Amino acid sequence: DTAVSQTPKYLVTQMGNDKSIKCEQNLGHDTMYWYKQDSKKFLKIMFSYNNKELIINETVPNRFSPKSPDKAHLNLHINSLELGDSAVYFCASSQDRGPMGPLHFGNGTRLTVT
Amino acid sequence: DQQVKQNSPSLSVQEGRISILNCDYTNSMFDYFLWYKKYPAEGPTFLISISSIKDKNEDGRFTVFLNKSAKHLSLHIVPSQPGDSAVYFCAGGANSGLGTYKYIFGTGTRLKVLA
Repeated sequence: DTAVSQTPKYLVTQMGNDKSIKCEQNLGHDTMYWYKQDSKKFLKIMFSYNNKELIINETVPNRFSPKSPDKAHLNLHINSLELGDSAVYFCASSQDRGPMGPLHFGNGTRLTVT
Repeated sequence: DQQVKQNSPSLSVQEGRISILNCDYTNSMFDYFLWYKKYPAEGPTFLISISSIKDKNEDGRFTVFLNKSAKHLSLHIVPSQPGDSAVYFCAGGANSGLGTYKYIFGTGTRLKVLA
């Protein structure tokens, strides 16, 4: 009964390809996020959605496009993959948009671009 | 612009002793702070939080202290146990202006508790 699940766990692909990472939460949360942890271990927010509406969009290349078909799902599609996209991507959800709802993270997807 | 800094990348502590993990921040708009623990190949899991209106929050073996004037917080684990060995992240949060809190994470401190 995983709370926040993301697939795949590992993703190895070549430069220029398009790939997607899926995320689902069964916590009934309204807000979902994508975070990226790079090689320097910074965990940086990329996007936040609340009830399928984009709320936060950090300075991320437009090759990255999140899609939220419903409030339990937030998928991340990446076009024209580059070497610098190699990182661990974490999906997260929270109960509300305020401070009181801590983030619940998935186990991450390690993306390697060769 | 690293708004949250965890300057100690690693820390080793004997079992039963106190572990103190430190975190500094620069953004004075942060009004809520979180600590997360992360095991290898897993996502971060929430440990404890503190609002900027408090200077201390305690939950079992975990206590977080906040010094707003110094823009510094610390996580104390007493007594430390081998199962506490993990990477610990602190995060500062502020209202993004769009009705959602945005959290900025530090780079983590790897704690090793020696049996």
